[in-house]
Amino acid sequence: DTGVSQDPRHKITKRGQNVTFRCDPISEHNRLYWYRQTLGQGPEFLTYFQNEAQLEKSRLLSDRFSAERPKGSFSTLEIQRTEQGDSAMYLCASSLTTDYYNEQFFGPGTRLTVL
Amino acid sequence: GENVEQHPSTLSVQEGDSAVIKCTYSDSASNYFPWYKQELGKRPQLIIDIRSNVGEKKDQRIAVTLNKTAKHFSLHITETQPEDSAVYFCAASPLYGNNRLAFGKGNQVVVIP
Repeated sequence: DTGVSQDPRHKITKRGQNVTFRCDPISEHNRLYWYRQTLGQGPEFLTYFQNEAQLEKSRLLSDRFSAERPKGSFSTLEIQRTEQGDSAMYLCASSLTTDYYNEQFFGPGTRLTVL
Repeated sequence: GENVEQHPSTLSVQEGDSAVIKCTYSDSASNYFPWYKQELGKRPQLIIDIRSNVGEKKDQRIAVTLNKTAKHFSLHITETQPEDSAVYFCAASPLYGNNRLAFGKGNQVVVIP
């Protein structure tokens, strides 16, 4: 499968625990985005990377959230001290962005449930 | 930041009829407008997109129109089929800079056989 992959697909955790999600983008895609989607809503931007540099973080991303893309390939999103409000689908997308082209391909998402 | 609104929230059509979903955006810097289809439990998939240098784009049964002056764009699906039933999201972003997509809330399209 040459698409964007995410792991795990589902995560159930207790409030206060830390969780980490992984995203593997399409090979050679230079940009990687994280979005969060709650029921009945469209995806909301969280953060993005250009290669290994994290260039922007949304105000939605509190201090409990951290993301990395250490070698410009896969990325991880960690949530510390999870809260029930963190329950959502976390989507990763990647793109090969040029001045004219920036189609974003989405992964299947990681569904997080915080009890 | 960009604010994208999508109407109606739910649309039911008879198989074979046309479906139209409209979106408005607020940021005049946005110049890339994709539409994504999301089936239940699946990832959003790009079905068509349009850039601000064109007013209309067509791909088989799907078309998108863009009115930059009024800041709105629409998705048109003709000859609807049951497999068109899904949630459709419009989005907007600048082509330059961060390219982050600002999504609408989605439109549930139900095609009645």
